[in-house]
Amino acid sequence: GQQVMQIPQYQHVQEGEDFTTYCNSSTTLSNIQWYKQRPGGHPVFLIQLVKSGEVKKQKRLTFQFGEAKKNSSLHITATQTTDVGTYFCAVSGNTPLVFGKGTRLSVIA
Amino acid sequence: EAGVAQSPRYKIIEKRQSVAFWCNPISGHATLYWYQQILGQGPKLLIQFQNNGVVDDSQLPKDRFSAERLKGVDSTLKIQPAKLEDSAVYLCASNSDLAQETQYFGPGTRLLVL
Repeated sequence: GQQVMQIPQYQHVQEGEDFTTYCNSSTTLSNIQWYKQRPGGHPVFLIQLVKSGEVKKQKRLTFQFGEAKKNSSLHITATQTTDVGTYFCAVSGNTPLVFGKGTRLSVIA
Repeated sequence: EAGVAQSPRYKIIEKRQSVAFWCNPISGHATLYWYQQILGQGPKLLIQFQNNGVVDDSQLPKDRFSAERLKGVDSTLKIQPAKLEDSAVYLCASNSDLAQETQYFGPGTRLLVL
């Protein structure tokens, strides 16, 4: 079935530093979604990428879909303590949504 | 609009006991999902309903797990009998009938099996 690898598993940054998480697949993806889960909370949808090479921005967050539609990244500029949580990518093709294992972000004030 | 509702929020049971979880999706959402999220991992789909029909239950351990959505709205997920490895958060999500659309998650039920 569809599998997706997400790296790194953990990231600790000082407040104000940048953060990037990567999602990789061995197969071409039809689309990719990104979710954020705060500690003790539930996943909350952030964005969906569909087009090859697509780049979308949400304030300090930049999402990118690779040209080959096999990888994606989420970059946060100048992290804040409110960015703490686990960021998941989720992919679907002919199968229901499959989530990566997530990247847990800690921000040290 | 009201979000996805789930109950109970927490449940502690002993192994071999039974447990049931309830989910009420966002009004008008035809598709409902149950996920299992083990600590430190991403959500894993257990079952997907489209109205009251099952779309995908390939990852549901059918010897002990069952789910239903009889009237195409609320859904229940049951575990009987529970095992220690069933300790997890059980998330319900829903979306409208559009393919590959974002999913809206409920707060989840945190299950601890002792």
